[in-house]
Amino acid sequence: DAGITQSPRHKVTETGTPVTLRCHQTENHRYMYWYRQDPGHGLRLIHYSYGVKDTDKGEVSDGYSVSRSKTEDFLLTLESATSSQTSVYFCAISASGTGGNQPQHFGDGTRLSIL
Amino acid sequence: AQSVTQLGSHVSVSEGALVLLRCNYSSSVPPYLFWYVQYPNQGLQLLLKYTSAATLVKGINGFEAEFKKSETSFHLTKPSAHMSDAAEYFCAVSEGGATNKLIFGTGTLLAVQP
Repeated sequence: DAGITQSPRHKVTETGTPVTLRCHQTENHRYMYWYRQDPGHGLRLIHYSYGVKDTDKGEVSDGYSVSRSKTEDFLLTLESATSSQTSVYFCAISASGTGGNQPQHFGDGTRLSIL
Repeated sequence: AQSVTQLGSHVSVSEGALVLLRCNYSSSVPPYLFWYVQYPNQGLQLLLKYTSAATLVKGINGFEAEFKKSETSFHLTKPSAHMSDAAEYFCAVSEGGATNKLIFGTGTLLAVQP
């Protein structure tokens, strides 16, 4: 299994509070991704990173920010959490390849509840 | 733009029966295609991938998928279902380019009846 650790695994917090989720990898892969998974929507990309300090938005980036100061760590921050951000969040990593031929490998997820 | 459609959000089969999970894709570039499996309370695990070599791709746990360009399909099959195959299955297509971004289908939940 790919060395991906997400923390925390579960979190309950209140509306309006800041929340940071961490993804740590031991594979030295270049690409890292944050997804949210909601019933009926599959996985939706929030943000991704293509190197240290290099990040870009995905399809559902509003309300989220990310940072990558080291190859191994990719942080997802909800500046002011809202109930609509209650979801399961997955981190994924991918090695460099050609034209998108490398698969992504996923962490075990963080279940976030915002009350 | 690339997209993926999984027909059937829920599929139920009997133990020992054929498993067929359908995936159709749309891609403006030669596609790279993937199937993932997700067991309850876990992340997605790669089952198999098509990266333009053989059109019949074998994966883990006895699953395989056939790439059919004329039908723009990449259906997942297993000859004989096992109770442990009960899970959610996701088909994905690469966006192309260097970032390995994937477009996922909405998933098919497979139930296996004894």
